[in-house]
Amino acid sequence: EDQVTQSPEALRLQEGESSSLNCSYTVSGLRGLFWYRQDPGKGPEFLFTLYSAGEEKEKERLKATLTKKESFLHITAPKPEDSATYLCAVLENYGGATNKLIFGTGTLLAVQP
Amino acid sequence: ETGVTQTPRHLVMGMTNKKSLKCEQHLGHNAMYWYKQSAKKPLELMFVYSLEERVENNSVPSRFSPECPNSSHLFLHLHTLQPEDSALYLCASSLQRLEAEQYFGPGTRLTVT
Repeated sequence: EDQVTQSPEALRLQEGESSSLNCSYTVSGLRGLFWYRQDPGKGPEFLFTLYSAGEEKEKERLKATLTKKESFLHITAPKPEDSATYLCAVLENYGGATNKLIFGTGTLLAVQP
Repeated sequence: ETGVTQTPRHLVMGMTNKKSLKCEQHLGHNAMYWYKQSAKKPLELMFVYSLEERVENNSVPSRFSPECPNSSHLFLHLHTLQPEDSALYLCASSLQRLEAEQYFGPGTRLTVT
């Protein structure tokens, strides 16, 4: 069964304490992997798209990387405002023009000052 | 207004009520989506519209009825819902169908009593 698994489920960091979030996937026809940030009471906000193994994208304190089986979201020297739920999603091709977007359950990140 | 807007933000309804959720996107996108987000579960894609045509219906019960009168507006008509339908309902849009750079609205928090 196609699956997207995120770990840890929750992560508590001190301000400035760098760490990584993981998104592993088991799909056959990967078309892309995507990271979103979701704040309480709001819809997800798009962060990154990664299309092929070895690709990296950066935005401020965030860096996303992709291998053939997983993606990492590295957070360097986080600040309290980085606290949010981080969602991973995989776009899978089912053949022809049929794609399906599969989300993980997210990692709830809390950064304490 | 910019981005994707949703109304109402909160809705409480009885199981015999009929109500509608509204979504409007001001981004000039061609595809719109309805998602359901429940606690501890991945985002569930419910419906996909591309250029006002429904192109995907992920086994959603008939008590949920979408409507897309034009490329900027999307509705979700609700009737005879069950308590397990209580969730955050998110609308999203993207330039083309199932591009992962989707832009989400803030969601409607629905409670079925």
